[in-house]
Amino acid sequence: DAGVIQSPRHEVTEMGQEVTLRCKLISGHNSLFWYRQTMMRGLELLIYFNNNVPIDDSGMPEDRFSAKMPNASFSTLKIQPSEPRDSAVYFCASSTGQGDAFFGQGTRLTVV
Amino acid sequence: KQEVTQIPAALSVPEGENLVLNCSFTDSAIYNLQWFRQDPGKGLTSLLLIQSSQREQTSGRLNASLDKSSGRSTLYIAASQPGDSATYLCAVSETNDMRFGAGTRLTVKP
Repeated sequence: DAGVIQSPRHEVTEMGQEVTLRCKLISGHNSLFWYRQTMMRGLELLIYFNNNVPIDDSGMPEDRFSAKMPNASFSTLKIQPSEPRDSAVYFCASSTGQGDAFFGQGTRLTVV
Repeated sequence: KQEVTQIPAALSVPEGENLVLNCSFTDSAIYNLQWFRQDPGKGLTSLLLIQSSQREQTSGRLNASLDKSSGRSTLYIAASQPGDSATYLCAVSETNDMRFGAGTRLTVKP
């Protein structure tokens, strides 16, 4: 298995534009997490899904952020409209639900 | 809300030293605790996973302990090497979520 795959690896966009981050889970995993990492705030849990259902989205900062899991192996995190303070590295991680976690390489987002 | 704290924030040691990284958490009702390593510009790699019923886990030169009642975990690295230089994060899970500490940035000097 290739592991958790995130795309794109880097994204530079202008303020106000829509940004979509993508994540492909490891086959057979049933839980997915989206995290944001910044120097100031460290790793913050944004949302996590179990069996395609959002369980806890309390970490999503604003209504500008939305996440979906259209099927068991794929998820998107969308920011619309993007702002400079959204600049961060966004990670997704997948899990079997037994407490393990496998992280993708992250998407470095820069909003100018 | 669970809060996870890691001390120290940064640590620099000469090669060969044994060292201990600390992690504390506020709510002892955890499902498990996990230690991760993160290299600059990279994702996180799981090092050790300790279930709530366990006291410690070992992998090579790494040993992680868990004391749920006091809300503490330690990561012991024996005979440190320059290749151990990275940021080490601990994460606690209460159900199936994970809450991370801010990490300890370790530098091992040759």
